[in-house]
Amino acid sequence: KAGVTQTPRYLIKTRGQQVTLSCSPISGHRSVSWYQQTPGQGLQFLFEYFSETQRNKGNFPGRFSGRQFSNSRSEMNVSTLELGDSALYLCASSLDRPRNTEAFFGQGTRLTVV
Amino acid sequence: AQSVSQHNHHVILSEAASLELGCNYSYGGTVNLFWYVQYPGQHLQLLLKYFSGDPLVKGIKGFEAEFIKSKFSFNLRKPSVQWSDTAEYFCAVNGLNTDKLIFGTGTRLQVFP
Repeated sequence: KAGVTQTPRYLIKTRGQQVTLSCSPISGHRSVSWYQQTPGQGLQFLFEYFSETQRNKGNFPGRFSGRQFSNSRSEMNVSTLELGDSALYLCASSLDRPRNTEAFFGQGTRLTVV
Repeated sequence: AQSVSQHNHHVILSEAASLELGCNYSYGGTVNLFWYVQYPGQHLQLLLKYFSGDPLVKGIKGFEAEFIKSKFSFNLRKPSVQWSDTAEYFCAVNGLNTDKLIFGTGTRLQVFP
């Protein structure tokens, strides 16, 4: 079955713009999480969504937001982009609780802010 | 505070050498533990996971890890590495009621023929 799909794969934006990234989870997975990966900070948790509800949020400014649709697809939005937002943004999906499950990651969206 | 520490940032080995990567965590309550691998240019892939039961878990490609609860550790091991194991390895933890993963900073492994 198809894996986690993230679009677009690469994106170049200028400071001050906003961007929307998309994630389609594995079929049947209802939990979607987002992570930011940078060389300096490593992998940092952004948000977790389940059944269209944000279940958990990381320590990122309000410029970072997300949502999940009824088909479990998710989007994240970053407004007023800063140079420091340049990173690989990863989406992961997993089956819902209460079973212990593993997260499956997409290939990521490489965002460059110039 | 919840955290994961990976002590080795960069490891260089020759083929056939043994590997052990350290991982310690700080997390209140029962945890699930994971090792992920990121090959150059590829996405994060699960190597192995521990949810409960036998603390010695075996994963793909000959990797194994041992959960030592008293030491809050989940070290990754492989008896004989190959050039194709060159990658970045991440230890991660989450609690039973969340999918939020807390990652270590990663260990870059380079294996030379």
